[in-house]
Amino acid sequence: DADVTQTPRNRITKTGKRIMLECSQTKGHDRMYWYRQDPGLGLRLIYYSFDVKDINKGEISDGYSVSRQAQAKFSLSLESAIPNQTALYFCATSDFGDTQYFGPGTRLTVL
Amino acid sequence: AQRVTQPEKLLSVFKGAPVELKCNYSYSGSPELFWYVQYSRQRLQLLLRHISRESIKGFTADLNKGETSFHLKKPFAQEEDSAMYYCALKGNTPLVFGKGTRLSVIA
Repeated sequence: DADVTQTPRNRITKTGKRIMLECSQTKGHDRMYWYRQDPGLGLRLIYYSFDVKDINKGEISDGYSVSRQAQAKFSLSLESAIPNQTALYFCATSDFGDTQYFGPGTRLTVL
Repeated sequence: AQRVTQPEKLLSVFKGAPVELKCNYSYSGSPELFWYVQYSRQRLQLLLRHISRESIKGFTADLNKGETSFHLKKPFAQEEDSAMYYCALKGNTPLVFGKGTRLSVIA
């Protein structure tokens, strides 16, 4: 679904570097989410936002921060990346119906 | 607490055989249950949700509150069903996903 885009699609970085992953959507949804996917662990919620002024921690928010710059944009930051943050990161959006629409994912490798 | 358990990491079946992907949940309230699917090189997408009570691509799932289960079933598996399947629960927080089951349909 090209309505939810993520940049970059792939990123290799070093321990201690600051990284920002960006998500944009044209679906007009108020709700946006960041997940990480690890083999054998499924998807785990990092942060979510129900509107521009709303930010909530998810299951695994330590080491991450987010910014909701506009209804259409939701960025995830790793202030000081560490190797166990190597994962596939997904952004998703939803309306009040709760069906979530996912982006293509960003593969992050922290060396 | 909300929790979703998918006991099988991998399920292999032959083409034409029935498929059942298991999902059990833990939630004290009235949940909404979903199945999401991720085909190779594609993004995660909704397959079905229990409140719709519909069949998508031949798959059905019935919410059994007594057994706290939401198993996904298809009577005859097809090769194109090979994918990663995630069960998800929405209670009083956003979706909680299970760890996923990889379905492999063998020709």
